[in-house]
Amino acid sequence: DIQMTQSPSSLSASVGDRVTITCRASQSIINYLNWYQQKPGKAPKLLIYAASSLQSGVSSRFSGSGSGTDFTLTISSLQPEDFATYYCQQSYNMFTFGPGTKVDIK
Amino acid sequence: EVQLVESGGGLVQPGGSLRLSCAASGFSVSNNYMSWVRQAPGKGLEWVSIIYTAGSTFYAASVKGRFTISRDNSKNTLYLQVSSLRAEDTGLYYCARGKVGVADPFDYWGQGTLVTVSS
Repeated sequence: DIQMTQSPSSLSASVGDRVTITCRASQSIINYLNWYQQKPGKAPKLLIYAASSLQSGVSSRFSGSGSGTDFTLTISSLQPEDFATYYCQQSYNMFTFGPGTKVDIK
Repeated sequence: EVQLVESGGGLVQPGGSLRLSCAASGFSVSNNYMSWVRQAPGKGLEWVSIIYTAGSTFYAASVKGRFTISRDNSKNTLYLQVSSLRAEDTGLYYCARGKVGVADPFDYWGQGTLVTVSS
C-alpha cells in the first residue's frame, strides 16, 4: 500500500502570507497526486489534480508542484476563505489520502 | 448542474447493516467512475470503494468482504451496502464522482450521510 504523509500537520498564518504544504508518498506516484480543501461541516473540494493542474473555478493563488514522491501545494497570498484543512491524495494505486494540514489564523 | 445527494445513514448496532444511496443529477453514473469516501468524527478522509464505468469494483482493505458498491443506471444512483458493521465504521460517508482524464481525482462530492455504529 502507498502511504502518504503531510507536513506540517497544522500551521498558523496571516492574511496575505505565502503558505506551502508538503506531501510525500512512500513510493513514486509519478504525478498521480491531487489536493483537496475541506472547511468545517463541508465536503472536500478539489483544488489541484495531476500534481499541478488547477481545477476549473479554483483561484489561481493555489498552485501545485512536484513529481515522484515529493509534492507541494502553495497558496500565494492567503485569503480569509482559505482557512481550512488541506489533504493530498494519491491515485496511482487505488487511493490514499494524507492525514491533512490544518491552516488557521495567526 | 452536477449534484450528489447521499441518504440511508443512521444509528445501527455492531454487526448490523445499512444501504447507503447517492442520487446523482447532471451527469450519468454509468459514464463516470464513482467512489465512496468516509470520515470518522474529527478525523481525516479515508477512501472506501470505487466502481468503474465497466463495472469493476475495488475496496479498501478495512472494508473488503463487508461492504459492496453498486449502481443502478436507470435510477442514476450509486449504492454502498455496509454489513458486519463495527464501531470503527462510524463516520460521515461521502460519495464522489471521478473526473475523466489524468490522475483520477474526485471532482464532485455529496454532502455526506452519517453512519453511527453503537449499541
